[in-house]
Amino acid sequence: GESVGLHLPTLSVQEGDNSIINCAYSNSASDYFIWYKQESGKGPQFIIDIRSNMDKRQGQRVTVLLNKTVKHLSLQIAATQPGDSAVYFCAERFGNEKLTFGTGTRLTIIP
Amino acid sequence: DTGVSQDPRHKITKRGQNVTFRCDPISEHNRLYWYRQTLGQGPEFLTYFQNEAQLEKSRLLSDRFSAERPKGSFSTLEIQRTEQGDSAMYLCASGGLYEQYFGPGTRLTVT
Repeated sequence: GESVGLHLPTLSVQEGDNSIINCAYSNSASDYFIWYKQESGKGPQFIIDIRSNMDKRQGQRVTVLLNKTVKHLSLQIAATQPGDSAVYFCAERFGNEKLTFGTGTRLTIIP
Repeated sequence: DTGVSQDPRHKITKRGQNVTFRCDPISEHNRLYWYRQTLGQGPEFLTYFQNEAQLEKSRLLSDRFSAERPKGSFSTLEIQRTEQGDSAMYLCASGGLYEQYFGPGTRLTVT
């Protein structure tokens, strides 16, 4: 029910440290992946994406790693800041246009 | 602001009433998506348009739900005879071939 869904995996990181958020995706045929950041009461914010023909992609302070062998995606955030506190979702796309979202992870930055 | 916009941001309605939400996508995007998100969960796909054509509908989209994109620009999502289980955040996203950018969402509360 609703109460189970509220118990998101959580990650607490000291400000300035690096954080790694992990995601297991479901379909080995997925060809495209996106990481989103969602703050309370707001829509998901696009962070970074990666296609299945790549295994690593870097953005500003963020890196996404894709391991297709074990169907695993990770988001690395360098030098975390208080504004990085949010729920992070990975999303996969396979065969058509819709995205399927994983279970979010709540990231808390400790000052 | 050139992002995705949604209206209204919040809607409270009594059970059995009809509601309609509007989404204005990023102007150059021809793909528009509707998702629903309940507390603590990731967004779930509802339906998708390419230009004015509705190309896919989720089984979550019961016959009480209808979506339109009459001129290939803005879209509306109507829920008829609302039920308490319809209470959720309704998110719109737009995109090109790969990426999807979300709007702020419409929070629906059915009393």
